[in-house]
Amino acid sequence: KNEVEQSPQNLTAQEGEFITINCSYSVGISALHWLQQHPGGGIVSLFMLSSGKKKHGRLIATINIQEKHSSLHITASHPRDSAVYICAVRGANFGNEKLTFGTGTRLTIIP
Amino acid sequence: NAGVTQTPKFRVLKTGQSMTLLCAQDMNHEYMYWYRQDPGMGLRLIHYSVGEGTTAKGEVPDGYNVSRLKKQNFLLGLESAAPSQTSVYFCASSYSESLLRGYEQYFGPGTRLTVT
Repeated sequence: KNEVEQSPQNLTAQEGEFITINCSYSVGISALHWLQQHPGGGIVSLFMLSSGKKKHGRLIATINIQEKHSSLHITASHPRDSAVYICAVRGANFGNEKLTFGTGTRLTIIP
Repeated sequence: NAGVTQTPKFRVLKTGQSMTLLCAQDMNHEYMYWYRQDPGMGLRLIHYSVGEGTTAKGEVPDGYNVSRLKKQNFLLGLESAAPSQTSVYFCASSYSESLLRGYEQYFGPGTRLTVT
């Protein structure tokens, strides 16, 4: 079993729909990252969070440490949101500089 | 700032050939990483470095070597390429441990390597 599991693996939605991508992990963590990989391959960091909720524009990320679960929400989805969204966790050990990645959720937004 | 750059962007090698991938960052980051990305798998860490002159093995280090002679550069070498090393390689960098900066990683654009 992978340490980081994402669901769904693939998601297709109509423009304007509210999107939720889930990430579950099995280890204690110090932080969880959400990243976006564009169709051209580039990877950008969207959020890093260790508790609660963060919001940036139409994107919202939440984490529940007790349940070892995080969600990434996209409001008013747009075709330009089409990408692979990757969840990654950093271990709880102090000074742990390495990330463990999920396999990603491929999101396609249809106009 | 250019951020994180990688050269080359594409490369085709024959089995047994060698090559070096170069990663450069201009953000004065302490930490640098090399990952490989394969279909159906998450990014996997090959080697990483927590500072100039230091390197450490990641999850899948076999068949690769690295060097960090200058803070801004992190080189990944394949001494004798194998078809199993066909992959997309990403370099990333981050600040060192800091509660404020929180280890956010900045990624390069990737290098697509095919070994025939």
